[in-house]
Amino acid sequence: AAGVIQSPRHLIKEKRETATLKCYPIPRHDTVYWYQQGPGQDPQFLISFYEKMQSDKGSIPDRFSAQQFSDYHSELNMSSLELGDSALYFCASSFRTVSYEQYFGPGTRLTVT
Amino acid sequence: DQQVKQNSPSLSVQEGRISILNCDYTNSMFDYFLWYKKYPAEGPTFLISISSIKDKNEDGRFTVFLNKSAKHLSLHIVPSQPGDSAVYFCAARDSGGGADGLTFGKGTHLIIQP
Repeated sequence: AAGVIQSPRHLIKEKRETATLKCYPIPRHDTVYWYQQGPGQDPQFLISFYEKMQSDKGSIPDRFSAQQFSDYHSELNMSSLELGDSALYFCASSFRTVSYEQYFGPGTRLTVT
Repeated sequence: DQQVKQNSPSLSVQEGRISILNCDYTNSMFDYFLWYKKYPAEGPTFLISISSIKDKNEDGRFTVFLNKSAKHLSLHIVPSQPGDSAVYFCAARDSGGGADGLTFGKGTHLIIQP
């Protein structure tokens, strides 16, 4: 079965640079979620989109923005990167009209130097 | 303030025995609970879930029990197998509040001993 696809899998950036992470949800899923997991931490919810509209917002810094496109893929844009942004970034998708279960991608490991 | 707590960072169980992973929560608005399994360098994999209107849900070797009055849930794995060695996350959702994001615990590292 098709899973959530994330790209790139690894990304190294310097402080103050920008980064763009991409997520391709499971086909026919209508909701995309972004999470950040710091070292030794639990995943923290950042933002979600339902049918291409922002649905909910968690602890997403103002330096970050995201959107969902007409083909349902989503991008997380991160600007003015800081050392503390180094983390695993997960995208998840769900078919929320059917269930609350979220299916996660393999993650993008962002390292800011 | 950690709203979902997994108080055991690690748990070691012998192969073939029962593994019991525990989770406590503080937010009484949570009404849907999920367990995820995570291997290193992979994303969390959904295992099993339970709605607050139930007290038990079973799927093969995995059973989740929910005690609403105690705000406690547990995941039972019977029998435990070597491939079950992973980090297990408990997660919760407040589906009535319009919130989408799951709130996770910090995870329990389950080690299955041969």
